[in-house]
Amino acid sequence: EAQVTQNPRYLITVTGKKLTVTCSQNMNHEYMSWYRQDPGLGLRQIYYSMNVEVTDKGDVPEGYKVSRKEKRNFPLILESPSPNQTSLYFCASSLSGTGYEKLFFGSGTQLSVL
Amino acid sequence: AQRVTQPEKLLSVFKGAPVELKCNYSYSGSPELFWYVQYSRQRLQLLLRHISRESIKGFTADLNKGETSFHLKKPFAQEEDSAMYYCALSGGGYNKLIFGAGTRLAVHP
Repeated sequence: EAQVTQNPRYLITVTGKKLTVTCSQNMNHEYMSWYRQDPGLGLRQIYYSMNVEVTDKGDVPEGYKVSRKEKRNFPLILESPSPNQTSLYFCASSLSGTGYEKLFFGSGTQLSVL
Repeated sequence: AQRVTQPEKLLSVFKGAPVELKCNYSYSGSPELFWYVQYSRQRLQLLLRHISRESIKGFTADLNKGETSFHLKKPFAQEEDSAMYYCALSGGGYNKLIFGAGTRLAVHP
């Protein structure tokens, strides 16, 4: 089944403890992106990638890192998480990133930073 | 600055009533606009996009550049339409996709 898979679904951690949220797609998509969803703010883009080794900042990149070493994987890294990064995170992918294609979303990762 | 505004957090209607979910945007160029929907316990998914001028599940949306709006409409709401709806804007592709805060549609029997 074609899909975007995120892990874990739920994560509770403490301030300063490095963590990684994984994202994988099996559709050979070039474009991948990370969003965070907060009440009253909708979804905000953190980082995106147009292809392997090509990444760029979205609207709220501070405190996050990403890497795109392989086409299928786009992990989100929080080197030193803080409570203001408590949020619901979504990964998404599309074939090449144009607006003519569907954007496929993962099921989300609920992160709580204590 | 690019911005998407969805003025209603919650829209509550009865089954069979018309629905209009409002979306206004601010963008200096030619935007690409989308509506995404998130049903309970499901992933966010594309509902429709203005470039396709399509009607999905009875929903339509027309881009009004004069009023900078992209309202989502359906003439007769169904209970299964209950969901969270997000309007989104892009300046070209998904590179910088900006979402509104979302409107929860509740359709009552």
